[in-house]
Amino acid sequence: GAVVSQHPSRVICKSGTSVKIECRSLDFQATTMFWYRQFPKQSLMLMATSNEGSKATYEQGVEKDKFLINHASLTLSTLTVTSAHPEDSSFYICSATLGTGGQETQYFGPGTRLLVL
Amino acid sequence: KNEVEQSPQNLTAQEGEFITINCSYSVGISALHWLQQHPGGGIVSLFMLSSGKKKHGRLIATINIQEKHSSLHITASHPRDSAVYICAAPRKGAQKLVFGQGTRLTINP
Repeated sequence: GAVVSQHPSRVICKSGTSVKIECRSLDFQATTMFWYRQFPKQSLMLMATSNEGSKATYEQGVEKDKFLINHASLTLSTLTVTSAHPEDSSFYICSATLGTGGQETQYFGPGTRLLVL
Repeated sequence: KNEVEQSPQNLTAQEGEFITINCSYSVGISALHWLQQHPGGGIVSLFMLSSGKKKHGRLIATINIQEKHSSLHITASHPRDSAVYICAAPRKGAQKLVFGQGTRLTINP
């Protein structure tokens, strides 16, 4: 099946620094990628929808200046957590969509665990 | 009320038991996904179905569009099946998924 990778898988950073997370579709081109955040024992929360070559669409309550998303190609989207704070510590997951016309399948990356000290 | 509701929220069973996890949804959807999330966090897409039934190994997923209900069954359950199972569906005409709360399954040896 289709494979989506994320890098890094785990990152620890100091408060105030910025962290970049990459999401790649390895064997297919994805016009749409999604970024999710998941806190312990909670469901995935959609942060933003990322389309190649256009600005990301953020969900209500997600700060676009804090969570910068760049979707530079059909196989790569990046999420940059700027000036990270401890409350940004979470599990960040991306997914990439394959298919069109109501038959899309989302393939999920393995996730990136961020710990901000 | 959530647009996608799962039950039960937690399920503990003995190895070998037949497992059923249910998902009901209240929105019009184009297809329904069943996902598996292991303790490490990674998510695997198990099924996407828009009608009928699909089978993969010991896993079976069914959907009844009229009743807006789907079930995930695991036959001959094994401790390695222990995970959180999530149903999710995109609203018709949309791509972003609406997620159920997840069912935490624990299979004891």
